[in-house]
Amino acid sequence: EAGVAQSPRYKIIEKRQSVAFWCNPISGHATLYWYQQILGQGPKLLIQFQNNGVVDDSQLPKDRFSAERLKGVDSTLKIQPAKLEDSAVYLCASSFGLPHEQYFGPGTRLTVT
Amino acid sequence: GDSVTQMEGPVTLSEEAFLTINCTYTATGYPSLFWYVQYPGEGLQLLLKATKADDKGSNKGFEATYRKETTSFHLEKGSVQVSDSAVYFCALSDTGQGAQKLVFGQGTRLTINP
Repeated sequence: EAGVAQSPRYKIIEKRQSVAFWCNPISGHATLYWYQQILGQGPKLLIQFQNNGVVDDSQLPKDRFSAERLKGVDSTLKIQPAKLEDSAVYLCASSFGLPHEQYFGPGTRLTVT
Repeated sequence: GDSVTQMEGPVTLSEEAFLTINCTYTATGYPSLFWYVQYPGEGLQLLLKATKADDKGSNKGFEATYRKETTSFHLEKGSVQVSDSAVYFCALSDTGQGAQKLVFGQGTRLTINP
């Protein structure tokens, strides 16, 4: 069974530029999560989708971050414009069946200069 | 709100030593508790879990017991190996909250020397 796929793995941009991350969850997983993991901290949930509907986006900085999950499968997370403090690893996870059994992708490491 | 506090790292041990990584939590409902592990260059993997008080989760020689009276979920292993070197995250998911999101601790980096 293929795992959660993310791309790109690394991205370096200048502040005020835009960036987008892509996630493909495990086939059949209805729930998809985006987390932000700042160096030295645990992951923090940004947004949770159930199929293509948003369940929780309470910690998403909506003035600059946006996310969508078209057709209830792939998802993209966008930052526009980026700030220095957005430097982090962005993790995608998906789950199905067992509550809380989340499977994580390898993450995208973003550096904003 | 819900929160998880882990012992600060980094932790460095010799091979075959006994490991304890402390984890305490604060939650308003009845959380499930988890330990995730992140090996170098890889994504987070679920190591073990416990869904109710006094449950013991175990996997790969690691164990943790859900202690409601002390709001703790300490990770233990009797004899660590070099391959256990990784970052360990304690997490909770409060089933009383609609979204059932995971709340993570800050992580503890473990290094095992041969």
